[in-house]
Amino acid sequence: GDSVTQTEGPVTVSESESLIINCTYSATSIAYPNLFWYVRYPGEGLQLLLKVITAGQKGSSRGFEATYNKETTSFHLQKASVQESDSAVYYCALGDRYNQGKLIFGQGTKLSIKP
Amino acid sequence: GPKVLQIPSHQIIDMGQMVTLNCDPVSNHLYFYWYKQILGQQMEFLVNFYNGKVMEKSKLFKDQFSVERPDGSYFTLKIQPTALEDSAVYFCASSLEGGQSAETLYFGSGTRLTVL
Repeated sequence: GDSVTQTEGPVTVSESESLIINCTYSATSIAYPNLFWYVRYPGEGLQLLLKVITAGQKGSSRGFEATYNKETTSFHLQKASVQESDSAVYYCALGDRYNQGKLIFGQGTKLSIKP
Repeated sequence: GPKVLQIPSHQIIDMGQMVTLNCDPVSNHLYFYWYKQILGQQMEFLVNFYNGKVMEKSKLFKDQFSVERPDGSYFTLKIQPTALEDSAVYFCASSLEGGQSAETLYFGSGTRLTVL
């Protein structure tokens, strides 16, 4: 079936250190997968961080980046130098180009940044 | 940025009663969604709604569930009657378009429903 697996949290990283949150997906019934990273800051709703709809391409936003790798079915989230304000829960999600808003989410990774 | 509001943030109800969860979507959006997240589990798609109709629903969208958006007001999820397994956080989302590739969904912060 279709599924998303991501780094199990919680994850703690020191400020200015690098970050990687792993995400792998299985899209057996989706012909054209789209990949997303959403983020939920404390007390707020989920918001889109970045998205990539074409395999091989990279998305980036707020210093984060992720590359859609069809060969390894991965979409890892990386940042070279984290800030305290990056503390949040990060969700990797899989979508279908032709299906309206039906996303398959990973379990979420809670990230805490140590000052 | 655009905001989706969910009211209330927490609701406690006795099993067998009816509950209505309210969502105020982004004002010019046309597509609406509900997702359900049981504690410790992944957020899962329930239903999407456009032009007054359910477009697609998952197997989690039981017969006791219904959605509507009367007169362009709140988008609601009604559960009647509620069961213990309905306890979860329910997230509403909206998008401007639904048929486009990688359409961005805007989510509310969720309503935690506790069924006793």
